Amino acid sequence: DTGVSQDPRHKITKRGQNVTFRCDPISEHNRLYWYRQTLGQGPEFLTYFQNEAQLEKSRLLSDRFSAERPKGSFSTLEIQRTEQGDSAMYLCASRTGTGANYGYTFGSGTRLTVV
Amino acid sequence: QKEVEQNSGPLSVPEGAIASLNCTYSDRVSQSFFWYRQYSGKSPELIMSIYSNGDKEDGRFTAQLNKASQYVSLLIRDSQPSDSATYLCAVTSNNNDMRFGAGTRLTVKP
Repeated sequence: DTGVSQDPRHKITKRGQNVTFRCDPISEHNRLYWYRQTLGQGPEFLTYFQNEAQLEKSRLLSDRFSAERPKGSFSTLEIQRTEQGDSAMYLCASRTGTGANYGYTFGSGTRLTVV
Repeated sequence: QKEVEQNSGPLSVPEGAIASLNCTYSDRVSQSFFWYRQYSGKSPELIMSIYSNGDKEDGRFTAQLNKASQYVSLLIRDSQPSDSATYLCAVTSNNNDMRFGAGTRLTVKP
């Protein structure tokens, strides 16, 4: 168990560019979540997968955001045409089981800065 | 009304004191409740979970849940400077994605 890995740790991009982040969950965890966190706020839910199926996507999520988990293992989060308001920490988390009584394990996050 | 509400703090306590962190939630069907600790620049780390009304103790930490009042709290006994961090309250319900409060920043002064 090597924990949840995220890559890259930091990303600086110019406004209008596309960026893609990767998350490798704990291997036996079937659920994978993406959150976004800005300074002084708690993590904000973006989307989650059970195995390869994307089961929920936040209504607040712009259509510039897309996520995939093609083989039920790693996941990618892509942001197209980045805006300065996209600057945040993007957190990936995973867990096992399907009930409500399971805590998440978070990765170290990808800090995005849009200039 | 936010789904999960916490006092943003900062909460400051002297070393050795009890730190009390509070959280309220709006969704009555919420089933599970979690406390995460987040150091500055780091990702959240799970420290406590509670599912039933009452108290749950784990070392210096005690989580308290009152579903009728939609209230959950975290007590940290014998607070240490290393406990200085932001504490996030989180809840889940049947749809299973976790919703977080904005966090309470705790400072333990030596």
